[in-house]
Amino acid sequence: GQQLNQSPQSMFIQEGEDVSMNCTSSSIFNTWLWYKQDPGEGPVLLIALYKAGELTSNGRLTAQFGITRKDSFLNISASIPSDVGIYFCAGANSGGSNYKLTFGKGTLLTVNP
Amino acid sequence: EAGVTQFPSHSVIEKGQTVTLRCDPISGHDNLYWYRRVMGKEIKFLLHFVKESKQDESGMPNNRFLAERTGGTYSTLKVQPAELEDSGVYFCASSRLGAEVHGYTFGSGTRLTVV
Repeated sequence: GQQLNQSPQSMFIQEGEDVSMNCTSSSIFNTWLWYKQDPGEGPVLLIALYKAGELTSNGRLTAQFGITRKDSFLNISASIPSDVGIYFCAGANSGGSNYKLTFGKGTLLTVNP
Repeated sequence: EAGVTQFPSHSVIEKGQTVTLRCDPISGHDNLYWYRRVMGKEIKFLLHFVKESKQDESGMPNNRFLAERTGGTYSTLKVQPAELEDSGVYFCASSRLGAEVHGYTFGSGTRLTVV
């Protein structure tokens, strides 16, 4: 089946630093999504990307849908302690009424104040 | 509106026992999905309901797993008999028909530990 390689697995940064993480796939997706999971909670959608080459921002977060449709990155600028959590990329191919997501293994982000 | 509710939040059972997880989707959401994350691995799709019908159950690991959504409202996922490798966090998610492209709303998950 489809697999996503997400890197890095974990990051330890100082408050105020910028962060970058990415996902690559062996197959094409027509939608890329980035989620954040806080401890004890479910994943929450941060950014959704629908077109190859698309660059989208949500506050301090910026994500891009790769031109090849096989990759995406997420940048967080000026990190703050509440950015701590697990970040997941997910790819999807819409078809009919099914919208199954394929997830990466996650990037654990720790921000030191 | 109330979010996706999952019960229980934690469950510890012995190998060979039966466990039933419950998911209450957001009212009006016809799509209901089950996913599972085994420790340190990716979140994996299990199955998808549209109302009470199973749209896709290609991710169900084996016949020890049974999912139902009677009446098209809440859903249950039963594991019988449970094995050690079934341990993980089981997430439920829901969305409106036609809104799939915007992603789902996930519940907080049920952490299942089989000992």
